[in-house]
Amino acid sequence: NAGVTQTPKFRILKIGQSMTLQCAQDMNHNYMYWYRQDPGMGLKLIYYSVGAGITDKGEVPNGYNVSRSTTEDFPLRLELAAPSQTSVYFCASSTDRDTEAFFGQGTRLTVV
Amino acid sequence: KQEVTQIPAALSVPEGENLVLNCSFTDSAIYNLQWFRQDPGKGLTSLLLIQSSQREQTSGRLNASLDKSSGRSTLYIAASQPGDSATYLCAVRPVTASKLTFGTGTRLQVTL
Repeated sequence: NAGVTQTPKFRILKIGQSMTLQCAQDMNHNYMYWYRQDPGMGLKLIYYSVGAGITDKGEVPNGYNVSRSTTEDFPLRLELAAPSQTSVYFCASSTDRDTEAFFGQGTRLTVV
Repeated sequence: KQEVTQIPAALSVPEGENLVLNCSFTDSAIYNLQWFRQDPGKGLTSLLLIQSSQREQTSGRLNASLDKSSGRSTLYIAASQPGDSATYLCAVRPVTASKLTFGTGTRLQVTL
């Protein structure tokens, strides 16, 4: 069972470039989330989705966009990458808002 | 605003010792609390989920307790092993938000 799959695992971007971080889950979960993790800080929520076609902002949404066209996929788009977006990005999913959350292995992004 | 604190930030113990990791949160209005393990450069692995109506959960050598009224949870690890070395994160799910709020973790090292 694959669970939550993120691609790519690593990426280096130049300032101003754009990219999409992919996230897919095969557990038929309604809720999906994008977090970023910076050294010494807790995970911060970027965006989340409660179902296909529904997305909402988290704590740190600036510079990012998401879409949720299917239950399985929740891509995160970075437009005009900045050094402040250097971080490790985690995708997660859960059946509902009060059930166990499962995380992907993360994407380590460096913007230079 | 919900805040989650984990003390200590780092802990080193000899193999075989029993240990307790602490997590405290400021708002007791939560659905649940979840403990995760994170190995260096890896994703988060869910260890235990405690619903707000529960007092504790056990999985193998791990036991997590929850005292919602005082805003505290502990993760007890029995007979620690070098393979338990990792960062342990706790996260709460507030009833007012569709996200997990994370602590900054306790980095555990179990020495031979």
